[in-house]
Amino acid sequence: DGGITQSPKYLFRKEGQNVTLSCEQNLNHDAMYWYRQDPGQGLRLIYYSQIVNDFQKGDIAEGYSVSREKKESFPLTVTSAQKNPTAFYLCASTATGANYGYTFGSGTRLTVV
Amino acid sequence: AQSVAQPEDQVNVAEGNPLTVKCTYSVSGNPYLFWYVQYPNRGLQFLLKYITGDNLVKGSYGFEAEFNKSQTSFHLKKPSALVSDSALYFCAVRPQAGGYQKVTFGTGTKLQVIP
Repeated sequence: DGGITQSPKYLFRKEGQNVTLSCEQNLNHDAMYWYRQDPGQGLRLIYYSQIVNDFQKGDIAEGYSVSREKKESFPLTVTSAQKNPTAFYLCASTATGANYGYTFGSGTRLTVV
Repeated sequence: AQSVAQPEDQVNVAEGNPLTVKCTYSVSGNPYLFWYVQYPNRGLQFLLKYITGDNLVKGSYGFEAEFNKSQTSFHLKKPSALVSDSALYFCAVRPQAGGYQKVTFGTGTKLQVIP
């Protein structure tokens, strides 16, 4: 079945460490997104990519980095510069075209220890 | 700037009763509107969308939503609630203009269906 796979499901980070969250899709979608979810704040856009080798900052990009070397993959790195990284991270993708809804992965819960 | 308001953090409804989860939006021009559902520790699942045409949109699991342009609302409804409908519901909007357009999500409404 087609879908988006996020790994790991749970991730623990020590202070000062960089960690990378994986997002892979087999839907042949062009656009991919990373969102951060905090209680009571809804979803906030971190980065998005509409095409391979191109990506754009979202609303809260500071302390995060991404790459888009393959159409299927859009990994997110949470760097030590992100001061409050504990959150639920969601990856999404969509087909080209304005009226398509997003397909979401099952999320990664990151906790700083 | 576009925005989505979900005025209720939580909605409680008895099983078998009709349910409504409210959403109002602000966007330049005509909107695309979406509803998603999220179960605990899971990603969001697409429920339904409004693109154009009929103001009453039918979606998955018996849910429907009514687009009201004059009131800039897109309330989610279901005639008879199930305990399994208990989840977090998100409304989202984006402009219909061409090219990349940002999708804005509401803060979510927790639906609790009481047996």
